[in-house]
Amino acid sequence: DGGITQSPKYLFRKEGQNVTLSCEQNLNHDAMYWYRQDPGQGLRLIYYSQIVNDFQKGDIAEGYSVSREKKESFPLTVTSAQKNPTAFYLCASRPSPTGLVGETQYFGPGTRLLVL
Amino acid sequence: GNSVTQMEGPVTLSEEAFLTINCTYTATGYPSLFWYVQYPGEGLQLLLKATKADDKGSNKGFEATYRKETTSFHLEKGSVQVSDSAVYFCALALRDSSYKLIFGSGTRLLVRP
Repeated sequence: DGGITQSPKYLFRKEGQNVTLSCEQNLNHDAMYWYRQDPGQGLRLIYYSQIVNDFQKGDIAEGYSVSREKKESFPLTVTSAQKNPTAFYLCASRPSPTGLVGETQYFGPGTRLLVL
Repeated sequence: GNSVTQMEGPVTLSEEAFLTINCTYTATGYPSLFWYVQYPGEGLQLLLKATKADDKGSNKGFEATYRKETTSFHLEKGSVQVSDSAVYFCALALRDSSYKLIFGSGTRLLVRP
């Protein structure tokens, strides 16, 4: 079945530690996104990538980093510079590198990051 | 700037009641509009969408009409079920370099038997 997988489902971070969240898709989509969701709020864009080896900062990129070495993979690293990392992180993808009107973004199941 | 405003929740209804969740938007261009649904502990699923004025999106008994004159995209369902209990997000996308989704804060729906 085609889809987006995120792992792990839960992740715990200690103070000063970097952690990496995995996002893999087998939909052959060009564009991929990372969003952050805080309780009672909508999603906010962290980073996005429209093609392999290229990515752009979103609205809240500070304290995060990404890579896009393969079309199907877009891992997100939460660095120690991110002072409030506790949130639900959602990865998404859409088919084309540029925005076609009405093109749908498809979401993974999410990773919940908690700080110890 | 671009933004989406949704009615505050939670919305609590009895089974078979009529549902309306209000959504209005502000956009600098001509956006596509979406409704996503999130069940507890899960990611978001597309519920319906519309891409131009007066378009009606529909799916699983839910409907929403793109109203450009009132910049609205209200979600409706004639008869809700307990299984509809979830958080509903209204979102817009503009044809800019990112084509990111801009979300409202979500509305929690609780349907009681």
